[in-house]
Amino acid sequence: DQQVKQNSPSLSVQEGRISILNCDYTNSMFDYFLWYKKYPAEGPTFLISISSIKDKNEDGRFTVFLNKSAKHLSLHIVPSQPGDSAVYFCAATRVYSGAGSYQLTFGKGTKLSVIP
Amino acid sequence: DGGITQSPKYLFRKEGQNVTLSCEQNLNHDAMYWYRQDPGQGLRLIYYSQIVNDFQKGDIAEGYSVSREKKESFPLTVTSAQKNPTAFYLCASSFDTSYEQYFGPGTRLTVT
Repeated sequence: DQQVKQNSPSLSVQEGRISILNCDYTNSMFDYFLWYKKYPAEGPTFLISISSIKDKNEDGRFTVFLNKSAKHLSLHIVPSQPGDSAVYFCAATRVYSGAGSYQLTFGKGTKLSVIP
Repeated sequence: DGGITQSPKYLFRKEGQNVTLSCEQNLNHDAMYWYRQDPGQGLRLIYYSQIVNDFQKGDIAEGYSVSREKKESFPLTVTSAQKNPTAFYLCASSFDTSYEQYFGPGTRLTVT
């Protein structure tokens, strides 16, 4: 049972345009969401995150939007650059009571290709 | 220069052999994690450890074992009981109060 879904395996966008990557989740206990970027044969790198108390978080060209009622989040990249070409993973977690690590549940990823 | 190191980058083994993947971090992180990635799949959690000498099974722990004798190190052993060991293995770490996990470069294991 996939709790975090990225339904688009791939996305192609022209350089300079907006890239929109989508993510849906089914577990209503999730309250923190992260986006990771991954190049081939490398580990993922953290990009941006959002807490369930917010509906938007911006960091430079990257903005994440959260719609809790729809259990949907999206990552916007504006403007898109060829260096943004990578696989983007959506991840979700929930706060544990007390100290402890936070397990991330990942989607399958969306491969973004930015065409020069 | 802080970070997570995984060695080796590529590893080849014969079927039936156990193999140990190394993961070391110098970020002073409390928690460490092992994930597996298969083509077209997301990252699936194998094991995680919140503190030294303690670890918990993730979603796909069967056929794997770990140890956490030092805060900096979290080696993963892929045993002969793992039915499909060929995959890309990623180690990650985080502070125990942080959601953000930092990943190593990964080890690609091929078993023939």
